[in-house]
Amino acid sequence: QSALTQPPSASGSPGQSVTISCTGTSSDVGGYNYVSWYQQHPGKAPKLMIYEVSKRPSGVPDRFSGSKSGNTASLTVSGLQAEDEADYYCISYAGSHMKVFGTGTKVTVL
Amino acid sequence: EVQLVESGGGLVQPGGSLTLSCAASGFTFSSYWMTWVRQAPGKGLEWVGNVIQDGSESHCVDSVKGRFTISRDNAKNSLYLQINSLRAEDTAVYYCAREGSGWLNWDYWGQGTLVTVSS
Repeated sequence: QSALTQPPSASGSPGQSVTISCTGTSSDVGGYNYVSWYQQHPGKAPKLMIYEVSKRPSGVPDRFSGSKSGNTASLTVSGLQAEDEADYYCISYAGSHMKVFGTGTKVTVL
Repeated sequence: EVQLVESGGGLVQPGGSLTLSCAASGFTFSSYWMTWVRQAPGKGLEWVGNVIQDGSESHCVDSVKGRFTISRDNAKNSLYLQINSLRAEDTAVYYCAREGSGWLNWDYWGQGTLVTVSS
């Protein structure tokens, strides 16, 4: 199972929006509405931001939103804030109990 | 308060074995699937595997099948990851996580334990 493809980096100024893509295949992203997004600050454990494509856990700001079209899922962070600077990983169900992470995207707030 | 605390990491020689533990507290451990995720130094996250609530079923990523075994002891509120035939590429921080309601909803994570495979 190959890792899902994410851009290595993305950036935006405070207040702007940034969108991160997560591209897989019809066997993972395109085949199921089971895509989650995790935020990870350096030296910390990942934190769930979005699950099942677009559901936001309680406590996650509504600046974070998720969507999916075909084999590509996306995470949008609106109204960028300094604390949003982190690594972001998508993960998808890939059938037969398997899960596959994306390659990760480093978001920089300029 | 939900807490997950991993332990058991350390320096191990190639070919050796290790068992990682994850002590859970603050929730009904036996009601949740549990997951292991690892991260090699400076690299991305990799799903390792998970185990069902009663421990009767577990799944691992293909790359570790046959070497990694995931188990749990609900009486001890503990999750385990047994790693055999350790390789340099197994060097990573290993995290345990609770699977909340919903798919891929890993809502609580431990702080991780570092496994270093080197001679």
